Amino acid sequence: QQKVQQSPESLIVPEGGMASLNCTSSDRNVDYFWWYRQHSGKSPKMLMSIFSNGEKEEGRFTVHLNKASLHTSLHIRDSQPSDSALYLCAASGNNNNRIFFGDGTQLVVKP
Amino acid sequence: AQTIHQWPVAEIKAVGSPLSLGCTIKGKSSPNLYWYWQATGGTLQQLFYSITVGQVESVVQLNLSASRPKDDQFILSTEKLLLSHSGFYLCAWLGVAETLYFGSGTRLTVL
Repeated sequence: QQKVQQSPESLIVPEGGMASLNCTSSDRNVDYFWWYRQHSGKSPKMLMSIFSNGEKEEGRFTVHLNKASLHTSLHIRDSQPSDSALYLCAASGNNNNRIFFGDGTQLVVKP
Repeated sequence: AQTIHQWPVAEIKAVGSPLSLGCTIKGKSSPNLYWYWQATGGTLQQLFYSITVGQVESVVQLNLSASRPKDDQFILSTEKLLLSHSGFYLCAWLGVAETLYFGSGTRLTVL
């Protein structure tokens, strides 16, 4: 059973537009969320982490977390073609020995 | 600064042949280490984790084994490769804020 669900599977946004990605965990033990970006043929790189309810902003990237619903979202404003990649959501409980990934959202930013 | 090195970068192997993939981390004492596998177009799936030398826990059975012979080294191996073993193998270590940092990966093709 998949513990981390992401939506949409794929997303196309115009250059300069806003991309919004979603992630929900079905495991009530999850406490921590991360967002990773994986360009084609490369390894995932951590973009942002969020562990508390609320919002966190870093440059063009904003993440939200609602711990009650175990839902996190990633928003990319002023999207650039270089943002085109697979975006992965990861989640873990207090036991950091198990870190689960979702299937990802494939983002394409069209010039 | 911590660095993680995976070897080899890529492998093409025959079904039934043995395999050994390696990962070395420098600049971090007693790291938690992880192996993940990503089928082409697939989800990142955790295979093993290790918190100390000689101690490895299996997360999913894929006819693979792992060992931690030294504090800074994590090895993934099998005596007999299957077609289904093809994919992208990623080693990771647990860094600041419980975040996974991945190596560059090994792309394995089994023919």
